[in-house]
Amino acid sequence: DVKVTQSSRYLVKRTGEKVFLECVQDMDHENMFWYRQDPGLGLRLIYFSYDVKMKEKGDIPEGYSVSREKKERFSLILESASTNQTSMYLCASRSGTGESETQYFGPGTRLLVL
Amino acid sequence: GQNIDQPTEMTATEGAIVQINCTYQTSGFNGLFWYQQHAGEAPTFLSYNVLDGLEEKGRFSSFLSRSKGYSYLLLKELQMKDSASYLCAVLNSNYQLIWGAGTKLIIKP
Repeated sequence: DVKVTQSSRYLVKRTGEKVFLECVQDMDHENMFWYRQDPGLGLRLIYFSYDVKMKEKGDIPEGYSVSREKKERFSLILESASTNQTSMYLCASRSGTGESETQYFGPGTRLLVL
Repeated sequence: GQNIDQPTEMTATEGAIVQINCTYQTSGFNGLFWYQQHAGEAPTFLSYNVLDGLEEKGRFSSFLSRSKGYSYLLLKELQMKDSASYLCAVLNSNYQLIWGAGTKLIIKP
């Protein structure tokens, strides 16, 4: 089974702090994604990566950056946390074509910025 | 633009059948996914359709009509544990997943 893990389930940070969210997958997937999920808005793509050291902006990249130094690890960075970044953050990975395009999600990190 | 439409919320009775609809307009089509998400948890994969027709998996079935830009998820013999949000997502021509906002399904005894 694919396993995607995230470094924290819950985080509380203060406005202006730099925040690191880590994601690790164990299935050698090329593609990794960071989403945020807010009530009524569904999943919104922040950044994604198709390969090591490669990154692409998603729909809402402002205020975020990412790092992919190793294939299995994809980090999301909030350079200076703000209260409007309070949200559920979900990491996902996928590989292949057809049904293999299925994305597998980590358990999520619920971030509260005070 | 690209969009996925699905009802915000539905209510059904334990033991009954419910159909959750999804309509989509995307730039190209490479398949449609349904995910289940329990409150506070991550989405989990339910089904994938790329050809027209019905795919059955136990109590859950998913239908696709590409010409109509339409899919539905059918849940039979509803159980209380089926209370969750159901997310529809379409893989477009760039292999990007476009997500609907999800349908919250409430099951009543």
